[in-house]
Amino acid sequence: DTEVTQTPKHLVMGMTNKKSLKCEQHMGHRAMYWYKQKAKKPPELMFVYSYEKLSINESVPSRFSPECPNSSLLNLHLHALQPEDSALYLCASSDPHKGQGSPYGYTFGSGTRLTVV
Amino acid sequence: KQEVTQIPAALSVPEGENLVLNCSFTDSAIYNLQWFRQDPGKGLTSLLLIQSSQREQTSGRLNASLDKSSGRSTLYIAASQPGDSATYLCAVRPKNAGGTSYGKLTFGQGTILTVHP
Repeated sequence: DTEVTQTPKHLVMGMTNKKSLKCEQHMGHRAMYWYKQKAKKPPELMFVYSYEKLSINESVPSRFSPECPNSSLLNLHLHALQPEDSALYLCASSDPHKGQGSPYGYTFGSGTRLTVV
Repeated sequence: KQEVTQIPAALSVPEGENLVLNCSFTDSAIYNLQWFRQDPGKGLTSLLLIQSSQREQTSGRLNASLDKSSGRSTLYIAASQPGDSATYLCAVRPKNAGGTSYGKLTFGQGTILTVHP
């Protein structure tokens, strides 16, 4: 299995709703990422989990709450979002090889298209 | 701060043409460089991964080169087809002070490629 699977593919939510995005990989990668992508822009990093611990939070508002229940799963909990949070949310994974010469690239999922109304 | 620039921003070519996409980066302290393809509203598909010690990688009609000292990479697409139409993103994986290789990819803004029949 060489894929990152994201669910749901599309999500429409109101500003008072609570919802969650899910991401799963079975490649044995120990680093997992959430990226946000607006139209015609490159992806922007939100969070990095390494060995199931949050290692990078790119100053993301608290209405986005990540969770890594185990080495294969990554969730993004959403609450009280704003319309400007509408975007494509991408999950990715990689091997957090320490030291020189990391041989591994990133694998991205197909994304969740989020619309906040 | 690492910056990645892709030229051209958009490219329209007739089917069958050979073409080159360019990527430049400002800091040569990288582990690797990865080329991705993104179809509208979809996730990122990895095309080629070049390690910092490598000069090029090939996959089918695609060939990517890396000149780390000059901060440049090119993606060569041979005999282009309408199915190649997509946005192509270049991303570098910078070495960071912590010595670990997880962390944020630095993306270029992308090249929008249109191949018309």
